[in-house]
Amino acid sequence: DIVMTQSPLSLPVTPGEPASISCRSSESLVHNNGYNYVDWYLQKPGQSPQLLMYLGSTRASGVPDRFSGSGSGTDFTLKISRVEAEDVGIYYCMQALQIPWTFGQGTKVEIK
Amino acid sequence: QVQLQESGPGLVKPSETLSLTCIVSGGSISGYYWNWIRQPAGKGLEWIGRIYSNGSPNYNPSLKSRVTMSVDTSENHFSLRLTSLTAADTAVYYCSRGSSTWYHSPDIWGQGTMVTVSS
Repeated sequence: DIVMTQSPLSLPVTPGEPASISCRSSESLVHNNGYNYVDWYLQKPGQSPQLLMYLGSTRASGVPDRFSGSGSGTDFTLKISRVEAEDVGIYYCMQALQIPWTFGQGTKVEIK
Repeated sequence: QVQLQESGPGLVKPSETLSLTCIVSGGSISGYYWNWIRQPAGKGLEWIGRIYSNGSPNYNPSLKSRVTMSVDTSENHFSLRLTSLTAADTAVYYCSRGSSTWYHSPDIWGQGTMVTVSS
Protein backbone atom coordinates (compact mmCIF):
# COMPACT_ATOMS: atom_id res chain seq x y z
CA ASP A 1 0.00 0.00 0.00
CA ILE A 2 1.08 3.58 -0.58
CA VAL A 3 1.90 5.25 2.73
CA MET A 4 0.89 8.88 3.20
CA THR A 5 2.77 10.84 5.86
CA GLN A 6 1.57 14.22 7.03
CA SER A 7 3.37 16.91 9.00
CA PRO A 8 2.90 18.48 11.36
CA LEU A 9 0.35 16.36 13.21
CA SER A 10 -0.73 19.36 15.25
CA LEU A 11 -0.83 22.94 14.03
CA PRO A 12 -1.84 25.83 16.29
CA VAL A 13 -2.77 28.81 14.15
CA THR A 14 -3.62 32.45 14.62
CA PRO A 15 -6.68 33.76 12.77
CA GLY A 16 -5.66 35.85 9.81
CA GLU A 17 -2.28 34.17 9.55
CA PRO A 18 -1.27 31.61 6.91
CA ALA A 19 -0.98 27.89 7.56
CA SER A 20 0.63 25.04 5.68
CA ILE A 21 0.34 21.26 5.87
CA SER A 22 2.71 18.82 4.20
CA CYS A 23 1.90 15.39 2.84
CA ARG A 24 4.46 12.93 1.51
CA SER A 25 3.74 9.68 -0.26
CA SER A 26 5.87 6.54 -0.35
CA GLU A 27 5.49 6.39 -4.14
CA SER A 28 4.93 8.92 -6.87
CA LEU A 29 1.28 9.83 -7.28
CA VAL A 30 1.60 11.01 -10.87
CA HIS A 31 -0.85 9.18 -13.11
CA ASN A 32 0.01 8.27 -16.70
CA ASN A 33 -2.07 11.29 -17.72
CA GLY A 34 0.33 13.62 -15.91
CA TYR A 35 -2.00 14.54 -13.08
CA ASN A 36 -1.39 13.89 -9.39
CA TYR A 37 -4.04 11.69 -7.82
CA VAL A 38 -4.17 13.37 -4.44
CA ASP A 39 -7.11 14.70 -2.45
CA TRP A 40 -7.33 16.84 0.64
CA TYR A 41 -10.19 16.56 3.14
CA LEU A 42 -11.22 18.52 6.22
CA GLN A 43 -13.07 16.89 9.07
CA LYS A 44 -14.55 19.60 11.26
CA PRO A 45 -15.28 18.70 14.88
CA GLY A 46 -18.19 16.29 15.11
CA GLN A 47 -18.70 16.19 11.34
CA SER A 48 -18.01 13.92 8.40
CA PRO A 49 -14.99 14.66 6.24
CA GLN A 50 -15.51 17.08 3.37
CA LEU A 51 -13.60 17.20 0.11
CA LEU A 52 -11.41 20.27 -0.22
CA MET A 53 -9.10 19.53 -3.11
CA TYR A 54 -8.62 16.92 -5.81
CA LEU A 55 -5.88 16.38 -8.37
CA GLY A 56 -3.63 17.94 -5.74
CA SER A 57 -4.57 21.51 -6.57
CA THR A 58 -8.16 21.74 -7.83
CA ARG A 59 -10.60 23.15 -5.30
CA ALA A 60 -13.81 21.23 -4.87
CA SER A 61 -17.11 23.00 -5.36
CA GLY A 62 -17.76 25.68 -2.77
CA VAL A 63 -14.28 25.64 -1.24
CA PRO A 64 -13.02 29.17 -0.49
CA ASP A 65 -10.07 30.41 -2.52
CA ARG A 66 -8.00 30.92 0.63
CA PHE A 67 -7.31 27.19 0.31
CA SER A 68 -4.70 26.13 -2.23
CA GLY A 69 -2.93 22.89 -3.03
CA SER A 70 0.41 22.32 -4.65
CA GLY A 71 3.08 19.72 -5.24
CA SER A 72 3.84 16.82 -7.51
CA GLY A 73 5.26 13.34 -7.35
CA THR A 74 5.65 12.52 -3.68
CA ASP A 75 5.46 15.92 -1.98
CA PHE A 76 2.26 17.88 -1.57
CA THR A 77 1.18 20.91 0.40
CA LEU A 78 -2.12 22.39 1.46
CA LYS A 79 -2.02 26.08 2.27
CA ILE A 80 -4.52 28.37 3.90
CA SER A 81 -3.70 31.96 3.04
CA ARG A 82 -5.53 33.47 6.02
CA VAL A 83 -6.91 31.10 8.60
CA GLU A 84 -10.45 31.65 9.81
CA ALA A 85 -12.03 30.19 12.93
CA GLU A 86 -14.21 27.88 10.82
CA ASP A 87 -11.10 26.18 9.39
CA VAL A 88 -10.37 24.25 12.59
CA GLY A 89 -10.47 20.49 12.37
CA ILE A 90 -8.40 17.60 11.11
CA TYR A 91 -6.98 17.74 7.59
CA TYR A 92 -6.26 14.54 5.70
CA CYS A 93 -4.49 13.89 2.44
CA MET A 94 -5.47 10.83 0.43
CA GLN A 95 -3.97 9.09 -2.56
CA ALA A 96 -6.22 7.68 -5.25
CA LEU A 97 -3.57 6.39 -7.64
CA GLN A 98 -3.59 2.82 -6.38
CA ILE A 99 -6.11 0.65 -4.67
CA PRO A 100 -6.39 0.65 -1.75
CA TRP A 101 -6.85 4.39 -1.46
CA THR A 102 -4.92 5.46 1.63
CA PHE A 103 -5.04 8.47 3.92
CA GLY A 104 -2.46 10.37 5.89
CA GLN A 105 -2.66 10.31 9.70
CA GLY A 106 -4.30 13.69 9.80
CA THR A 107 -3.18 17.15 10.89
CA LYS A 108 -5.17 18.78 13.67
CA VAL A 109 -5.52 22.51 13.13
CA GLU A 110 -6.62 24.53 16.13
CA ILE A 111 -6.75 28.17 17.05
CA LYS A 112 -4.02 29.42 19.38
CA GLN B 1 -29.28 18.04 -3.30
CA VAL B 2 -27.94 14.54 -2.83
CA GLN B 3 -27.92 13.24 0.71
CA LEU B 4 -26.68 9.96 2.14
CA GLN B 5 -27.88 8.21 5.26
CA GLU B 6 -26.29 5.13 6.76
CA SER B 7 -28.36 2.62 8.69
CA GLY B 8 -27.50 -0.52 10.58
CA PRO B 9 -27.06 -2.07 14.01
CA GLY B 10 -25.02 -0.11 16.50
CA LEU B 11 -23.82 -3.21 18.30
CA VAL B 12 -22.63 -6.49 16.79
CA LYS B 13 -21.11 -9.51 18.49
CA PRO B 14 -17.62 -10.78 17.68
CA SER B 15 -17.50 -13.31 14.85
CA GLU B 16 -20.86 -12.12 13.54
CA THR B 17 -21.62 -10.27 10.31
CA LEU B 18 -22.21 -6.53 9.93
CA SER B 19 -24.72 -5.30 7.39
CA LEU B 20 -24.99 -1.59 6.65
CA THR B 21 -27.13 0.22 4.12
CA CYS B 22 -26.67 3.68 2.69
CA ILE B 23 -29.83 5.33 1.39
CA VAL B 24 -29.31 7.86 -1.37
CA SER B 25 -31.85 10.66 -1.59
CA GLY B 26 -32.12 13.70 -3.83
CA GLY B 27 -30.44 12.04 -6.77
CA SER B 28 -29.97 8.81 -8.66
CA ILE B 29 -27.55 6.11 -7.64
CA SER B 30 -26.94 5.29 -11.29
CA GLY B 31 -23.77 6.45 -12.98
CA TYR B 32 -21.71 6.94 -9.85
CA TYR B 33 -19.22 5.14 -7.64
CA TRP B 34 -20.22 4.63 -4.00
CA ASN B 35 -17.69 4.27 -1.21
CA TRP B 36 -17.49 2.89 2.29
CA ILE B 37 -14.88 4.45 4.60
CA ARG B 38 -14.45 3.84 8.31
CA GLN B 39 -12.85 5.65 11.23
CA PRO B 40 -12.05 4.07 14.60
CA ALA B 41 -12.66 6.43 17.48
CA GLY B 42 -9.95 9.07 17.68
CA LYS B 43 -8.13 7.63 14.69
CA GLY B 44 -7.73 8.19 10.97
CA LEU B 45 -9.69 7.15 7.92
CA GLU B 46 -9.60 3.75 6.23
CA TRP B 47 -11.03 3.19 2.77
CA ILE B 48 -12.98 -0.07 2.75
CA GLY B 49 -13.91 -0.07 -0.91
CA ARG B 50 -16.31 1.20 -3.53
CA ILE B 51 -18.92 -0.09 -5.91
CA TYR B 52 -20.12 1.29 -9.21
CA SER B 53 -23.82 1.53 -9.86
CA ASN B 54 -23.56 -1.43 -12.25
CA GLY B 55 -22.43 -3.59 -9.33
CA SER B 56 -18.70 -3.68 -10.09
CA PRO B 57 -16.69 -3.41 -6.84
CA ASN B 58 -13.18 -2.49 -5.76
CA TYR B 59 -12.20 -3.66 -2.28
CA ASN B 60 -9.34 -2.87 0.06
CA PRO B 61 -7.18 -6.01 -0.16
CA SER B 62 -6.76 -6.02 3.62
CA LEU B 63 -10.50 -6.57 3.98
CA LYS B 64 -11.30 -8.26 0.71
CA SER B 65 -11.86 -11.74 2.16
CA ARG B 66 -14.53 -10.37 4.53
CA VAL B 67 -16.22 -7.63 2.49
CA THR B 68 -19.10 -7.68 0.08
CA MET B 69 -20.69 -4.58 -1.39
CA SER B 70 -23.89 -4.45 -3.38
CA VAL B 71 -26.10 -1.85 -5.00
CA ASP B 72 -29.84 -1.73 -5.51
CA THR B 73 -30.70 0.77 -8.22
CA SER B 74 -34.44 0.19 -7.87
CA GLU B 75 -34.34 1.15 -4.19
CA ASN B 76 -31.58 3.73 -4.65
CA HIS B 77 -29.37 2.34 -1.94
CA PHE B 78 -26.15 0.42 -1.57
CA SER B 79 -24.89 -1.91 1.11
CA LEU B 80 -21.86 -3.19 2.94
CA ARG B 81 -21.47 -6.64 4.43
CA LEU B 82 -18.49 -7.38 6.65
CA THR B 83 -18.04 -10.86 8.11
CA SER B 84 -16.10 -12.37 11.01
CA LEU B 85 -16.11 -9.21 13.06
CA THR B 86 -13.57 -8.46 15.76
CA ALA B 87 -13.07 -5.53 18.11
CA ALA B 88 -10.76 -4.01 15.49
CA ASP B 89 -13.80 -3.41 13.29
CA THR B 90 -15.30 -1.04 15.85
CA ALA B 91 -15.53 2.31 14.08
CA VAL B 92 -17.73 4.98 12.58
CA TYR B 93 -18.69 3.78 9.12
CA TYR B 94 -19.27 6.41 6.43
CA CYS B 95 -20.83 5.99 3.04
CA SER B 96 -19.93 8.48 0.35
CA ARG B 97 -20.51 9.24 -3.29
CA GLY B 98 -17.69 9.32 -5.79
CA SER B 99 -17.64 12.53 -7.79
CA SER B 100 -18.49 12.45 -11.47
CA THR B 101 -15.01 13.49 -12.57
CA TRP B 102 -11.47 12.09 -12.74
CA TYR B 103 -10.93 9.33 -10.21
CA HIS B 104 -14.23 9.93 -8.44
CA SER B 105 -13.17 11.45 -5.14
CA PRO B 106 -15.64 10.98 -2.29
CA ASP B 107 -17.43 14.33 -2.53
CA ILE B 108 -20.67 13.75 -0.61
CA TRP B 109 -20.62 11.90 2.70
CA GLY B 110 -23.22 10.52 5.04
CA GLN B 111 -23.17 11.51 8.69
CA GLY B 112 -21.66 8.16 9.66
CA THR B 113 -22.94 5.35 11.83
CA MET B 114 -21.12 4.03 14.89
CA VAL B 115 -20.61 0.29 14.98
CA THR B 116 -19.36 -1.38 18.14
CA VAL B 117 -18.19 -4.99 18.11
CA SER B 118 -18.62 -6.41 21.57
CA SER B 119 -20.16 -9.38 23.31
